[in-house]
Amino acid sequence: DADVTQTPRNRITKTGKRIMLECSQTKGHDRMYWYRQDPGLGLRLIYYSFDVKDINKGEISDGYSVSRQAQAKFSLSLESAIPNQTALYFCATSDYGQGSGYTFGSGTRLTVV
Amino acid sequence: AQKITQTQPGMFVQEKEAVTLDCTYDTSDPSYGLFWYKQPSSGEMIFLIYQGSYDQQNATEGRYSLNFQKARKSANLVISASQLGDSAMYFCAMAPGSARQLTFGSGTQLTVLP
Repeated sequence: DADVTQTPRNRITKTGKRIMLECSQTKGHDRMYWYRQDPGLGLRLIYYSFDVKDINKGEISDGYSVSRQAQAKFSLSLESAIPNQTALYFCATSDYGQGSGYTFGSGTRLTVV
Repeated sequence: AQKITQTQPGMFVQEKEAVTLDCTYDTSDPSYGLFWYKQPSSGEMIFLIYQGSYDQQNATEGRYSLNFQKARKSANLVISASQLGDSAMYFCAMAPGSARQLTFGSGTQLTVLP
């Protein structure tokens, strides 16, 4: 099994619908992140969590919410999806120390029509 | 605030040649980490190499090396002996201090020609 698992892998949804993207990890890392990737813009941070009781907004949190249900689970919700939220979404984890980098999930390709 | 700049949207290199992908960064933190990731067409993010701001030597990982010039705030990735499988998008990223939120550049699309 993958260290960081994202579900679903692909999703098409309609404007105005609520959608949840889920992420689970087996790395045992405390820190988890949600990123969004748009063509030509690289990855941008939506939300991050350093532990179950710690949730922080990232660069582009408007229109999104998150829930850290457990150390291993971090979900991202789009309360009312809009077409410009069409993107590739990544969940990632890291430990405290520098140098180890992030472990990324395989990504969720979301299309809002 | 941190900023990562990758000025090469696309690069071409002949197979077996070396290639340098440019990355400059801006931060006011004295302690930071620099990372390079590879994203093949399949979409996953693959960690390649890390350089700490206090590391005295440039990082190397197999065919990857990081040309770290602290005074110039640059962290270029050098890929030696390019292979067809190196064709991918490459991202430079930075995390300041003990914070772990990575800031990414916009990426460079590398194409290795046979």
